[in-house]
Amino acid sequence: AQSVAQPEDQVNVAEGNPLTVKCTYSVSGNPYLFWYVQYPNRGLQFLLKYITGDNLVKGSYGFEAEFNKSQTSFHLKKPSALVSDSALYFCAPQMFSGGYNKLIFGAGTRLAVHP
Amino acid sequence: DTEVTQTPKHLVMGMTNKKSLKCEQHMGHRAMYWYKQKAKKPPELMFVYSYEKLSINESVPSRFSPECPNSSLLNLHLHALQPEDSALYLCASSQDRAESNQPQHFGDGTRLSIL
Repeated sequence: AQSVAQPEDQVNVAEGNPLTVKCTYSVSGNPYLFWYVQYPNRGLQFLLKYITGDNLVKGSYGFEAEFNKSQTSFHLKKPSALVSDSALYFCAPQMFSGGYNKLIFGAGTRLAVHP
Repeated sequence: DTEVTQTPKHLVMGMTNKKSLKCEQHMGHRAMYWYKQKAKKPPELMFVYSYEKLSINESVPSRFSPECPNSSLLNLHLHALQPEDSALYLCASSQDRAESNQPQHFGDGTRLSIL
């Protein structure tokens, strides 16, 4: 069965400190890897993706993510957190399966950045 | 601003009402999706349209009826809904259902409440 694990329901971090939101996945084949962010009362916004090449990918709002093939992980990071980063983050491998682009969502991690 | 526009933003309806949700995109995307999202949960796929044809129906009850009048528009017709159908309904689009290395673009959703 395909699955995505985001082991922390919530991550708390002080403003200015580095943050990490963890994601590991068990998906057959070689999926493309995505992170989406959802602010309150908004839809999902694309943050970044890993397709191939350098294991460290950079995305919007200063976020980056590190791909580790042996650990099947794709952790989201930011060197210095902002209060405005507080939101719900979803890790989502995507693959063409059953005739469509299938996003396999993790349960989500709520990031709370405190002043 | 999101590039996928959903209307209305909020909808309250009784169990016997008929209403429709609307989604519009002008990015030239040929794949469009409907998702249902409960609070603090990841989105759940309902339907996929590819080149204006329904390609995936994830065993959604018949009280939800999708329609794709043209490549830019996607509707979701609602009839005789149940209280458990109260949720955020998200529309998304992507360039093509087979291009799994491209992100899906989400609207801000319609928050639906069933009385």
